[in-house]
Amino acid sequence: DADVTQTPRNRITKTGKRIMLECSQTKGHDRMYWYRQDPGLGLRLIYYSFDVKDINKGEISDGYSVSRQAQAKFSLSLESAIPNQTALYFCATSGTLDIAGSYNEQFFGPGTRLTVL
Amino acid sequence: AQSVTQPDIHITVSEGASLELRCNYSYGATPYLFWYVQSPGQGLQLLLKYFSGDTLVQGIKGFEAEFKRSQSSFNLRKPSVHWSDAAEYFCAVVLTGRRALTFGSGTRLQVQP
Repeated sequence: DADVTQTPRNRITKTGKRIMLECSQTKGHDRMYWYRQDPGLGLRLIYYSFDVKDINKGEISDGYSVSRQAQAKFSLSLESAIPNQTALYFCATSGTLDIAGSYNEQFFGPGTRLTVL
Repeated sequence: AQSVTQPDIHITVSEGASLELRCNYSYGATPYLFWYVQSPGQGLQLLLKYFSGDTLVQGIKGFEAEFKRSQSSFNLRKPSVHWSDAAEYFCAVVLTGRRALTFGSGTRLQVQP
C-alpha cells in the first residue's frame, strides 16, 4: 500500500462548486503539505501543517482552506472553485527534524488532477 | 528576491549520452538542496539531497549532483542516460529555519533512441 494517498485522483467540477481533496499517510509523519503544480511554474506551496494544531499559509493560499483532522489526514478545500485553480495538486509529508537537526525528506502522494470548468 | 532557477525548460539527449541539468539558487545562506524526479503520471521521487559535507552527492538511479557555493549552483549529472530517465526534474531548496521547500520550474528531459 502507498504511504501517501490522495483522493480523488481526478476530478472535474464547475465554477463556484466547493471541492475537497483528501490526503492520508501511513508514515507516521507529523508534517504535511499541499502543493499545486502548473506547467512551467514547478510546485508552489499552498498550506502546510507541522502538527494537528499548527496550520500555516504558503505562498498561494488565497481561495483555499485546509483541515488537519488527525495526524494522518490533511484535507484541502476550494471554497468556490474557479478555472484558474485547474492544476495538479500534491500532498506531501515529512518527519520532524532528525537528531542532527537535518531537514527531513518530503514524500509525495500521486497527485490529484483537478479541472474547473 | 530569494529564488530557485532551472534555466532549461526542455532538454533532449540521445540514449547513452551524458546529461547535466542546471539549478541555481539565490539565497543569502547555503540552503539544503534537493533534486526530485517526476515520471509521467507519477508523484515526485527524491533523487538526492545535499545538507553539508562532501559537495559531490550520489543519488539513486546513477545520478549525482555537485554543490558549488561560488556559483550558487547544484547541477544534476548522469554519465549515461537511459530511455527510462525521460521525466521532469525539479530542483528544490529549503533554508535553515524555513519550513517548506521552494521548487524550481522544472526541466523536462526527453531521451532519443
